[in-house]
Amino acid sequence: DVKVTQSSRYLVKRTGEKVFLECVQDMDHENMFWYRQDPGLGLRLIYFSYDVKMKEKGDIPEGYSVSREKKERFSLILESASTNQTSMYLCASSFPPGDGYTFGSGTRLTVV
Amino acid sequence: GENVEQHPSTLSVQEGDSAVIKCTYSDSASNYFPWYKQELGKRPQLIIDIRSNVGEKKDQRIAVTLNKTAKHFSLHITETQPEDSAVYFCAARGDTGFQKLVFGTGTRLLVSP
Repeated sequence: DVKVTQSSRYLVKRTGEKVFLECVQDMDHENMFWYRQDPGLGLRLIYFSYDVKMKEKGDIPEGYSVSREKKERFSLILESASTNQTSMYLCASSFPPGDGYTFGSGTRLTVV
Repeated sequence: GENVEQHPSTLSVQEGDSAVIKCTYSDSASNYFPWYKQELGKRPQLIIDIRSNVGEKKDQRIAVTLNKTAKHFSLHITETQPEDSAVYFCAARGDTGFQKLVFGTGTRLLVSP
């Protein structure tokens, strides 16, 4: 009963490519988040959205943008992929006020 | 903004021992503190949480304690089992208008049989 789905489990892209990571949730959650997970650094917030067409920068937004055209879908965009964006990307969603995130399975992105 | 520190980064115990993971937070207005468990290759999953109006919460072999004065909270796992081996993350949510969690850096717990 997967409730937060990330479109790709593994992705390999070239430096300079525009990359789209997709996340879909079927729980009617208002809040959606994109985190990046790196060893020793934990989960760091890239962007989040608390409503359709609304977005807020997290702690590390540089080099990323997001899109939320529909309530169930939150996309992370790497405008021009760089090797330092090689990482595990985790999408999450929740009802307000933000208790109990449900995470997706993650997308491991490698930029070569 | 909120900052969460988590210790230790790795923890090795023998099966049956207890394990304690500690986190400190910086924003005294934070009011919600969840703990997530991430098994190898899997998504983080919520295992227990506590709110600022409660000092302790238990769920079978796991418990969380909160000291608001000192701004720290801890996860306690008793009678550890090999299936407890995972990375554990603490998190805190401030009392601002933005409903985001700030996570600690994670603790890798290894329970040896």
